[in-house]
Amino acid sequence: AQSVTQLGSHVSVSEGALVLLRCNYSSSVPPYLFWYVQYPNQGLQLLLKYTTGATLVKGINGFEAEFKKSETSFHLTKPSAHMSDAAEYFCAVSSLRGSYIPTFGRGTSLIVHP
Amino acid sequence: DGGITQSPKYLFRKEGQNVTLSCEQNLNHDAMYWYRQDPGQGLRLIYYSQIVNDFQKGDIAEGYSVSREKKESFPLTVTSAQKNPTAFYLCASQQDRPNNSPLHFGNGTRLTVT
Repeated sequence: AQSVTQLGSHVSVSEGALVLLRCNYSSSVPPYLFWYVQYPNQGLQLLLKYTTGATLVKGINGFEAEFKKSETSFHLTKPSAHMSDAAEYFCAVSSLRGSYIPTFGRGTSLIVHP
Repeated sequence: DGGITQSPKYLFRKEGQNVTLSCEQNLNHDAMYWYRQDPGQGLRLIYYSQIVNDFQKGDIAEGYSVSREKKESFPLTVTSAQKNPTAFYLCASQQDRPNNSPLHFGNGTRLTVT
């Protein structure tokens, strides 16, 4: 089986501050990991993904995430938050055990204060 | 531009009526998915299809039905048997290979049943 836990349903930061959104996964086989962003009343857009190779993955809009196998984590970071980053963020995992059907976390709402 | 189109964006129905949500893609993707999104619960998989004329139940298939007669189309019917149908419904597609392909999402349909 595979699962994803996103710690914190809401994260609040000031504009210009570091953004850290946490994601831990459970998978008995090597996983593929994804971060998606959702703006109000829209679908999800891919931010970045980890498949194999380099464990630090860079995505769009200045976001990056690091795959840490020992910690089963794939946390999303951005050095300096912008007002336009306010959105819902979802972590997802897929693996052979799940027939490569993605499983999503519950999401984290990022709030950015001026 | 290639993409996924969901229609309508907003849908209102009376309790006891069946309703069909449309999902069309022109990305030439083999796999298509339906997710339901409720506040604080993330995305839950309703049905998925990896090839024409074949589909599989997801985690919350009860009260829903689908068809996949064409590669481009994957309509979802919410039946009167679905006990709590009011939700935001998202359709997605995915390249069948490689297995680490991300999902491409439509902009969703918000269904309200009263």
